[in-house]
Amino acid sequence: DAKTTQPNSMESNEEEPVHLPCNHSTISGTDYIHWYRQLPSQGPEYVIHGLTSNVNNRMASLAIAEDRKSSTLILHRATLRDAAVYYCILRAPNDMRFGAGTRLTVKP
Amino acid sequence: EAGVVQSPRYKIIEKKQPVAFWCNPISGHNTLYWYLQNLGQGPELLIRYENEEAVDDSQLPKDRFSAERLKGVDSTLKIQPAELGDSAVYLCASSTSGRSYNEQFFGPGTRLTVL
Repeated sequence: DAKTTQPNSMESNEEEPVHLPCNHSTISGTDYIHWYRQLPSQGPEYVIHGLTSNVNNRMASLAIAEDRKSSTLILHRATLRDAAVYYCILRAPNDMRFGAGTRLTVKP
Repeated sequence: EAGVVQSPRYKIIEKKQPVAFWCNPISGHNTLYWYLQNLGQGPELLIRYENEEAVDDSQLPKDRFSAERLKGVDSTLKIQPAELGDSAVYLCASSTSGRSYNEQFFGPGTRLTVL
């Protein structure tokens, strides 16, 4: 099974950019890279996804390495409301497996 | 548009008692998922429905867990009897199709405590 590796935790200062890394060296050619986040006492919510090219949306940007073996979720200006657990997931059509994720702490 | 609705939000029971969780997915979503989330870990899939058919229940402990989605809309997950190790958050999610890369929409979960 394709798996991802993320740091257990990261800290950021409010209003500064945050780069959340993810390694997925066993990614297959058809796997999409999805990111979800889970705020305290809530279910996970979709953030962004991509296949090969970098992606931007209103929440974040996703930078994907040329060999697709790693990716980085970028929050351009972290706010206190961005404090959450961020999950990097390799998404196959019938499979979406969560790891333990990265717990992001945002300091005021 | 309403999101995924789950009830109850919290449940405390004695071990060996039965318990049931209810989920109403987003209207029009034909795929429904039940996940289990232990403290400090990511969610783990228990079962996936395409309409009323359970297409992936390989991780559902069938000796004590059961689920149904009779009319292809809302769903119930049951545990009978509950054990101490079942204490966790039970999440329901839905999507427009499971056989794709579509995003999943999650409910707030039911936190179960077994005493």
